[in-house]
Amino acid sequence: QVQLQESGPGLVKPSETLSLTCAVSGYSISSGYYWGWIRQPPGKGLEWIGSIYHSGSTYYNPSLKSQFTISIDTSKNHFSLKLSSVTAADTAVYYCARQSTADGVDNWGQGTLVTVSS
Amino acid sequence: QPVLTQSSSASASLGSSVNLTCTLSSGHRSYMIAWHQQQPGKAPRSLMKLEGSGRYNKGSGVPDRFSGSSSGPDRYLTISNLQSEDEADYYCETWDSISWVFGGGTKLTVL
Repeated sequence: QVQLQESGPGLVKPSETLSLTCAVSGYSISSGYYWGWIRQPPGKGLEWIGSIYHSGSTYYNPSLKSQFTISIDTSKNHFSLKLSSVTAADTAVYYCARQSTADGVDNWGQGTLVTVSS
Repeated sequence: QPVLTQSSSASASLGSSVNLTCTLSSGHRSYMIAWHQQQPGKAPRSLMKLEGSGRYNKGSGVPDRFSGSSSGPDRYLTISNLQSEDEADYYCETWDSISWVFGGGTKLTVL
């Protein structure tokens, strides 16, 4: 059974860089699938941030500013998200997920709340 | 890039049935979608994949009360015999070769 677990700081100061990691268990991320990040501001809907293919190719939401970087570490079976120059608008629950172009998201992490505040 | 439109809210009585709708934008009416359920305070849960033909494939552990259907650009999630635990936000999702998009979500209230 695939499980995804986000980790990272719960509080980040404005203009700093946010770094989150998603540890995957029950499946080797080098075997396939896309691995993505989705966020949900308080009281709002889901927003796809971007995804990385197991080969390392990355895809980002064109509607978002290009502050996001997604990377993958197959040796540790995890992938990561970096968001530079955060603002209060980046306050959200961040979910990692397993995705495919056949099924969409089929597994979700439990989510981690990130608050941007001084 | 496709756009998904969902009603912001719906309500139905305990034990009844409800249809939630997700509408694909023009030019994308044949796209497959997925439905996800998000109970209050919890992470989303994948319910099913739904094709334009109306064929659907549910995730593991999804009750038989949940089913899907399609008509043109509309994709439906039907929940029968509504239970209190079905009160949740429901999101549809679609994708193309390099991007994914979510609908705005429907908040379902069980009366």
